[in-house]
Amino acid sequence: EPEVTQTPSHQVTQMGQEVILRCVPISNHLYFYWYRQILGQKVEFLVSFYNNEISEKSEIFDDQFSVERPDGSNFTLKIRSTKLEDSAMYFCAIIKAELSNQPQHFGDGTRLSIL
Amino acid sequence: KQEVTQIPAALSVPEGENLVLNCSFTDSAIYNLQWFRQDPGKGLTSLLLIQSSQREQTSGRLNASLDKSSGRSTLYIAASQPGDSATYLCAVRTDSWGKLQFGAGTQVVVTP
Repeated sequence: EPEVTQTPSHQVTQMGQEVILRCVPISNHLYFYWYRQILGQKVEFLVSFYNNEISEKSEIFDDQFSVERPDGSNFTLKIRSTKLEDSAMYFCAIIKAELSNQPQHFGDGTRLSIL
Repeated sequence: KQEVTQIPAALSVPEGENLVLNCSFTDSAIYNLQWFRQDPGKGLTSLLLIQSSQREQTSGRLNASLDKSSGRSTLYIAASQPGDSATYLCAVRTDSWGKLQFGAGTQVVVTP
């Protein structure tokens, strides 16, 4: 069983629309991360989230992006007004223990296609 | 700024041969290094995590070595099988809860 489940697996959206990607851990994890992978490119870090606050964010994570943990379990990434270049696989990752020297475990990703 | 490089970009071997995948990083001040497997269109499966204080880590047919001072890690896969065909990614973490920085991966094909 995966440590984290992502929904939806595939999202197709018109440019300019808002999208919300969801990540559900199987237990109460401490640290959450979002990454993306544009087709044929490296996996890139977007943001990390700890104790209901952003811990670190990359240059990619501009004002169009936001993260929250609305109900204490789900972890969401919102893109307010999507652009064509937002098309990518988006991965949620967690560290499942209270010790930082544990691996990051990734979900299966959401493929986001912007038309 | 940390840069992670994986060479070669692609590799094809006959079944039964040992695989050697290389990862190099420019800043030796890492916290740990993680190897992943990615199948086409799929997520990342963590294979091995090697701490900065370790020299190697083993799991089954997989062995990862780390030479922090020279900025290198190597993933060895013994007796390759067609099911090992995938892209293998390495990623470094430079602080305890920090982000992973990825290489571009090595695409491996094991032919029967």
